[in-house]
Amino acid sequence: AQTVTQSQPEMSVQEAETVTLSCTYDTSESDYYLFWYKQPPSRQMILVIRQEAYKQQNATENRFSVNFQKAAKSFSLKISDSQLGDAAMYFCAYLGGATNKLIFGTGTLLAVQP
Amino acid sequence: IAGITQAPTSQILAAGRRMTLRCTQDMRHNAMYWYRQDLGLGLRLIHYSNTAGTTGKGEVPDGYSVSRANTDDFPLTLASAVPSQTSVYFCASSDSYGQETQYFGPGTRLLVL
Repeated sequence: AQTVTQSQPEMSVQEAETVTLSCTYDTSESDYYLFWYKQPPSRQMILVIRQEAYKQQNATENRFSVNFQKAAKSFSLKISDSQLGDAAMYFCAYLGGATNKLIFGTGTLLAVQP
Repeated sequence: IAGITQAPTSQILAAGRRMTLRCTQDMRHNAMYWYRQDLGLGLRLIHYSNTAGTTGKGEVPDGYSVSRANTDDFPLTLASAVPSQTSVYFCASSDSYGQETQYFGPGTRLLVL
């Protein structure tokens, strides 16, 4: 069965600095999708970034980028120039081509210090 | 365009009572999903529907039922609530089942006493 592991329950970063959130996953599939979702205190789940496994190029969305290492089954999120509004719980998620189910990690709570 | 709406926002419910959580999307997405979020466990799939008229079981379906009479609505029913169903419930939708990004509603916080 597919699993998603976020080994950092909490992280902290200074405003304007860069932080990297880790995510590893386990799968035997070759075709799948990976996501990072942000959940601020408002509780809303917001899509941050998406990566297709068949694409070698790392996805980027403004200050958010990923380091996708398919062989290592690693999918980390880098937040550059951190802002106070980035403070939230971040979830890594896997969507498999065969299982068709979105599987979430347990989340990393990010604090941004002014 | 509202996206996905859920009602109620929060609810306190006595054990044994029946409760329906409502979910409506206006994006004409084919697939819809219900998740529950519990501390330390992330989000877990309860039920899903890949198109109107069809439903399927997710990871934690026991005690829950769903229906999909049309494209827009996907209600989740707890026939006889138990305290272990205390959770935050999220509805989500995607353009198609399995390959598309899922978009989430604002969630319903449910407390079963």
